[in-house]
Amino acid sequence: GESVGLHLPTLSVQEGDNSIINCAYSNSASDYFIWYKQESGKGPQFIIDIRSNMDKRQGQRVTVLLNKTVKHLSLQIAATQPGDSAVYFCAENMQGGSEKLVFGKGTKLTVNP
Amino acid sequence: GAVVSQHPSRVICKSGTSVKIECRSLDFQATTMFWYRQFPKQSLMLMATSNEGSKATYEQGVEKDKFLINHASLTLSTLTVTSAHPEDSSFYICSARVAGGLRGTQYFGPGTRLLVL
Repeated sequence: GESVGLHLPTLSVQEGDNSIINCAYSNSASDYFIWYKQESGKGPQFIIDIRSNMDKRQGQRVTVLLNKTVKHLSLQIAATQPGDSAVYFCAENMQGGSEKLVFGKGTKLTVNP
Repeated sequence: GAVVSQHPSRVICKSGTSVKIECRSLDFQATTMFWYRQFPKQSLMLMATSNEGSKATYEQGVEKDKFLINHASLTLSTLTVTSAHPEDSSFYICSARVAGGLRGTQYFGPGTRLLVL
């Protein structure tokens, strides 16, 4: 299940299940969104991105959904594996703005064998 | 391709000393690099944007005289934490944008763990 800790929401799933990680982004002018995976003690690793002219994009075992109406982004991981255990961040970039990325709070995913 | 390295990966220093962290793009040129700070169980917070050959742009609340940034070449940016204090202990991460690349696309380094005693 999902819970919100002091700083970092957590999600625990069983190996083989599908995982859904959610993100509410802040700026309605943002038009580019990225999901990153961060393992303990490492830098963020690109997973998948989506631009605002799309509402769904699929990668290998991952799907990103974008709902601009409610400013919501989700990452779906199919057949979750123990190696998927990490913290997942969404990030947004604003059209016409700088190159800056604004990161969400992150969700810690734990996959139980 | 698009590999970013950081050096050192971990550093321990005494309070009051200065620490320099390097960020290198290994196989591409980066006109813009970014420096983030991440405290335990928190998200990445942008500290500053570093542009090659010009002064860095700092985010609100980040002291430019304490966190000195130099982007001397298209493959190297350095962050110097001056007169470090225990509250500066954190995970510092850099990222780089490929020159001429798509807006918003950044490649991240592995991070530098700083511990100030």
